[in-house]
Amino acid sequence: GNSVTQMEGPVTLSEEAFLTINCTYTATGYPSLFWYVQYPGEGLQLLLKATKADDKGSNKGFEATYRKETTSFHLEKGSVQVSDSAVYFCALSDPQAGNMLTFGGGTRLMVKP
Amino acid sequence: KAGVTQTPRYLIKTRGQQVTLSCSPISGHRSVSWYQQTPGQGLQFLFEYFSETQRNKGNFPGRFSGRQFSNSRSEMNVSTLELGDSALYLCASSPRWGFGETQYFGPGTRLLVL
Repeated sequence: GNSVTQMEGPVTLSEEAFLTINCTYTATGYPSLFWYVQYPGEGLQLLLKATKADDKGSNKGFEATYRKETTSFHLEKGSVQVSDSAVYFCALSDPQAGNMLTFGGGTRLMVKP
Repeated sequence: KAGVTQTPRYLIKTRGQQVTLSCSPISGHRSVSWYQQTPGQGLQFLFEYFSETQRNKGNFPGRFSGRQFSNSRSEMNVSTLELGDSALYLCASSPRWGFGETQYFGPGTRLLVL
């Protein structure tokens, strides 16, 4: 079956530090990959997505590249802000499974001023 | 355009009762999916609907059911509630049903079972 593995948190960084959150996946098909973010007390918001190998998704300074050879989709940001503090979820969509998303366990990011 | 709305936002029930949660998708979106979020199990897929038909179902017992109406609004029902059903229930909508569609999530309904 499909699965997504994320680095466990919490990840604690100082403002303006570089962020990497690792995400690897196992899929039977050729999935689309997503990063979602959840702020306290809210639902999930799409941060970025990539639908084929070597695609780079980007949004709000965050980037992730779809690496088929390493089955990875690591999230990066060059300079984090306090407002980036949230839980980040990596997810995949399988071609055989409609809209269903398979999520990783989530990584909590805490950014200190 | 208004986002996905879910009602109620918070709910307290006791074991054995049943509960119905409602989801209104973004206007024009025809696909609705439901997820359960718990600290222990994370985000787990419940089911998804498109054009009033269930297209996919996750690995949950039959106590969990859902439906979609002709206006794309969806409800999910949990019967004979158990303590382990306490969770945040998230609804997501998308314009179409199919691979790679972006899901737009609502704020969730937080259910506490006592």
